[in-house]
Amino acid sequence: DAKTTQPNSMESNEEEPVHLPCNHSTISGTDYIHWYRQLPSQGPEYVIHGLTSNVNNRMASLAIAEDRKSSTLILHRATLRDAAVYYCILRASFNAGNMLTFGGGTRLMVKP
Amino acid sequence: GAVVSQHPSRVICKSGTSVKIECRSLDFQATTMFWYRQFPKQSLMLMATSNEGSKATYEQGVEKDKFLINHASLTLSTLTVTSAHPEDSSFYICSVPIGRSGANVLTFGAGSRLTVL
Repeated sequence: DAKTTQPNSMESNEEEPVHLPCNHSTISGTDYIHWYRQLPSQGPEYVIHGLTSNVNNRMASLAIAEDRKSSTLILHRATLRDAAVYYCILRASFNAGNMLTFGGGTRLMVKP
Repeated sequence: GAVVSQHPSRVICKSGTSVKIECRSLDFQATTMFWYRQFPKQSLMLMATSNEGSKATYEQGVEKDKFLINHASLTLSTLTVTSAHPEDSSFYICSVPIGRSGANVLTFGAGSRLTVL
């Protein structure tokens, strides 16, 4: 799977929007962009994924650049429970192995 | 959505003993499960791929004789840390791939924290 680059950490105030960036300049045409998050002392949980178009679900929105070399995970109103490490991962659609390769992620801190 | 249950959530053992961690897919039949390990302040590292009815596939540097994986049914995979040592203390997490519009999302267990004294 191609590599992604994320800031090590970010801070946000509670109830404000958060934009978590991810660069993936070597993305290929068949790579999906996945986001997972890991709350303290828990396993990761799926947040959202997309291929080309922007995506929305109940947890977040995913904005994908037109050239697909970067994406942004948007939390519309951060809560204290959103404090976690957020991982941006590229997955080839034909990835027979199915496993995910995790990078360092972005540690999001939410201030009350 | 799919639920993956891991047990135990925490275990403390003496050096030299063996510890078994179970991973159950509660509502999805999984021919494949993945085992990850996470040391403090680090990211997740894939240890091995568990295959139902056949041998597990281990990542480079992971000793297959030390980390025994058994995937005897479509809903259960077990990881046994044999002759555990303090350096094996870590957070072990299993996951199950769930197909979702071709993107193969992973559902993770809550993790098992192993402390070897």
